[in-house]
Amino acid sequence: AQSVTQLGSHVSVSEGALVLLRCNYSSSVPPYLFWYVQYPNQGLQLLLKYTTGATLVKGINGFEAEFKKSETSFHLTKPSAHMSDAAEYFCAVSDHGYQKVTFGIGTKLQVIP
Amino acid sequence: EPEVTQTPSHQVTQMGQEVILRCVPISNHLYFYWYRQILGQKVEFLVSFYNNEISEKSEIFDDQFSVERPDGSNFTLKIRSTKLEDSAMYFCASRRVTNEKLFFGSGTQLSVL
Repeated sequence: AQSVTQLGSHVSVSEGALVLLRCNYSSSVPPYLFWYVQYPNQGLQLLLKYTTGATLVKGINGFEAEFKKSETSFHLTKPSAHMSDAAEYFCAVSDHGYQKVTFGIGTKLQVIP
Repeated sequence: EPEVTQTPSHQVTQMGQEVILRCVPISNHLYFYWYRQILGQKVEFLVSFYNNEISEKSEIFDDQFSVERPDGSNFTLKIRSTKLEDSAMYFCASRRVTNEKLFFGSGTQLSVL
């Protein structure tokens, strides 16, 4: 079975500050890892994904995440928060069969002007 | 970018009634999914569908639930006799092949009264 744990259900940062959203995964096989974003009243949008290869993955809107196998982590970062980044962020994992994506509980990001 | 379309965006129903949630996946996609998100909780996998049959389902997807692809374009989720605890946002998703990203619809908010 696979799972992800997101540390911090709510994170607040000042506009222009570093964004760091934490995710740790558990998987018995090499995982595929994802970050999704959900803006209010909208569906889930893929920010970035790690499958194989380079462990630092760049996504849309200036976000990136680094796969660290030794720490079983896939934390999401952005150097400088923008007001438009306020949303809920979900870390997710799937196996290479890709039949099912398992989501974390989500982290609500608040950006303070 | 192509979109997965879900209708209606909001559905209100009485407990015990049947509901059908509709989805139009992206036209050349072959794998279809339903997920749900109860308010304040994580996104949960319900079912995956390929080649006109269910390929995997979760423990949530009991006999009250069914899925169908009736006409080659729509993908529906039916709840036979709704319960209060079925109130949630239901997301449809699709992908072309198993190693490509999931495209999510914007969801149907189901409220069971």
